[in-house]
Amino acid sequence: DVHLVESGGGVVQPGGSLRLSCQASGFIFSKYWMIWVRHAPGKRLEWVASMNEDGRLKWLAGSVKGRFTISRDDAKNSLYLQMNSLRAEDTAVYYCVRDSGYFDFWGRGTLVTVSS
Amino acid sequence: DIVLTQSPDSLAVSLGERATINCKSSQSVLYSSNNLNYVSWYQHKPGQPPKLLIYWASTRASGVPDRFSGSGSGTDFTLTISSLQAEDVAVYYCQQYYVTPPRTFGQGTKVEIK
Repeated sequence: DVHLVESGGGVVQPGGSLRLSCQASGFIFSKYWMIWVRHAPGKRLEWVASMNEDGRLKWLAGSVKGRFTISRDDAKNSLYLQMNSLRAEDTAVYYCVRDSGYFDFWGRGTLVTVSS
Repeated sequence: DIVLTQSPDSLAVSLGERATINCKSSQSVLYSSNNLNYVSWYQHKPGQPPKLLIYWASTRASGVPDRFSGSGSGTDFTLTISSLQAEDVAVYYCQQYYVTPPRTFGQGTKVEIK
């Protein structure tokens, strides 16, 4: 079975940093694009970042460009999201998702709260 | 960016009745070379991750009950729940993967029991 488990969320002050991790299992991680999607309270789902199979292609949403970085370690079957200069509007549940074109498997998410 | 607009924003349906959700794209998401529509649908319940229901506009994901169906082509798509069950209360999103980045979602439609 495919499993995606996020970690690293928490409460952080505006301007602070967090690093989210996603541990994948149950599939050949190195053969898939992987993405981060977030859901802020009362808002729609929002795609945040994508990375291709070998890590050479990275795309970031305009709302996080210059502040967030996506990376992966295929040897560890892990995906990461480094979040810097966090703002109140980054408060959301962050999901690690397998990208098959459509988003076929989702982790349970990790909550990031940006508040003073 | 492709903008997806869902209608209605919310709807209340009696148990056993049909629920219909529409999704309109700002541009066609039909790829002519393979005749596939790059649209998917997700169900999102509180406290749970979103769940893939439909991909390629009309293909049910594994394990999804057959009361869920998707239709449409080009710019107009529909998710239908043929006989609403209590466990179907959720927010439903359409999403396009024709153009990336960015991957865009509709604003969501909240389905409740009347």
